[in-house]
Amino acid sequence: QQQVKQSPQSLIVQKGGISIINCAYENTAFDYFPWYQQFPGKGPALLIAIRPDVSEKKEGRFTISFNKSAKQFSLHIMDSQPGDSATYFCAASLNQGGKLIFGQGTELSVKP
Amino acid sequence: NAGVTQTPKFRVLKTGQSMTLLCAQDMNHEYMYWYRQDPGMGLRLIHYSVGEGTTAKGEVPDGYNVSRLKKQNFLLGLESAAPSQTSVYFCASSYEGESYLSYEQYFGPGTRLTVT
Repeated sequence: QQQVKQSPQSLIVQKGGISIINCAYENTAFDYFPWYQQFPGKGPALLIAIRPDVSEKKEGRFTISFNKSAKQFSLHIMDSQPGDSATYFCAASLNQGGKLIFGQGTELSVKP
Repeated sequence: NAGVTQTPKFRVLKTGQSMTLLCAQDMNHEYMYWYRQDPGMGLRLIHYSVGEGTTAKGEVPDGYNVSRLKKQNFLLGLESAAPSQTSVYFCASSYEGESYLSYEQYFGPGTRLTVT
C-alpha cells in the first residue's frame, strides 16, 4: 500500500521557471516530511525537510509548502536551472527506527 | 570521511545464484537501511537495523536476508536470485537522536544488480 503518492512522474521546465512537485500522504501520524534529490548514478541526498507544525519552509530557491488539513505537501523550485535536473523524492516518517516512506519520484528536466 | 560505501557497484547474477551486498559507514550511525529502487516505484525499504545485532523487516523483505554483526556494516543477502530482484540497491544510515536532525538518512552510491 502506497502511503505517500507523488506527482507528476516527470516534469519539463524552462530555465528560470518554477518547478512544482506534489505529494499526498495518508497517515496523520507522520511527523517529518523530507525531500531528497538524486542525480543520475548517485544516491539520494536530503534537499530540504519540514515538520507538520509549520506551513512553509524556504531554503534558497527551494520551498516546501505544507497543508496539514489536506494531507498534502509540495516542493517549489524557483528560478529553475539546468543543474536542478534530477529525480526528486518526497518522503514521510513515523520515527520508528528512523524509517522513511518514499513517494514514487519525479524526474525533473530543466531546459536551457 | 567516506560516508556510506557499497560493494560491489555492479553485478550480474544468473537465476538461482546467491550473493551478498556490503554496506559500510564511518559516521558511527546507529541506524542502517537497505532499499531497492525501481522505475516508477520510488525507494522501497527491504530491511533495516536500529543497532548492532538487530534487524527488522521493511516493506519488501521477501527473498532477502540481512545481518548487522558490526555497527559499521550492514549486509544484504540474496539466497536464490530471481529476475524480479533486478534493481538498484541503496544502503543508507542515520544516527539515533531525539531532534529532527537525526531523521536525515545518508545514502551510498548504489549497487546495480541484474538477474538473468
